[in-house]
Amino acid sequence: EPEVTQTPSHQVTQMGQEVILRCVPISNHLYFYWYRQILGQKVEFLVSFYNNEISEKSEIFDDQFSVERPDGSNFTLKIRSTKLEDSAMYFCASNQGGSGANVLTFGAGSRLTVL
Amino acid sequence: DAKTTQPPSMDCAEGRAANLPCNHSTISGNEYVYWYRQIHSQGPQYIIHGLKNNETNEMASLIITEDRKSSTLILPHATLRDTAVYYCIVRVDLGGYNKLIFGAGTRLAVHP
Repeated sequence: EPEVTQTPSHQVTQMGQEVILRCVPISNHLYFYWYRQILGQKVEFLVSFYNNEISEKSEIFDDQFSVERPDGSNFTLKIRSTKLEDSAMYFCASNQGGSGANVLTFGAGSRLTVL
Repeated sequence: DAKTTQPPSMDCAEGRAANLPCNHSTISGNEYVYWYRQIHSQGPQYIIHGLKNNETNEMASLIITEDRKSSTLILPHATLRDTAVYYCIVRVDLGGYNKLIFGAGTRLAVHP
């Protein structure tokens, strides 16, 4: 079964460092999303991406965050200068679009620990 | 999107049916009911969705009341691996963009 692949599975970084989290969505999917989940809290929407641009972003997704689909397969989330409160699981998701069921498929997540 | 209400936690014995309720009394006519689950800290996993009719797949059954104000996810023979947080999400199907908003869900514990 096709899956969404995320790397790295775990990253430890120092506060103030830049981090890039990578995702390879399912190949025929057109809509892409990043979510995060702070330990013990809800899964929160960060940003959605379609047709090479951001379609929606949440209040969490401030100027420190950016997304990119550099080569038609990878979908990346960059955090420019990490803060302690960015420590969380980050989930990438994608869906195909079109009529009918639009089920989101999620990756296994990248755990980010900011020290 | 309509708001949903789920019990915070439930227990179920292994091998028995797990019936997880969801209230969505403000649902509108074009909103679907989606169920996802999250096992430990893994990514959310799609289970099933429906609009009006009851639905069944290899994972579960979804029963939607006639007035569509509530639904029940049924895991017919729960196993220990079904221990997870289950999310009921109501969402308009726009035929493409499908941002999901997750609530707190129901934490299901399946015990031997």
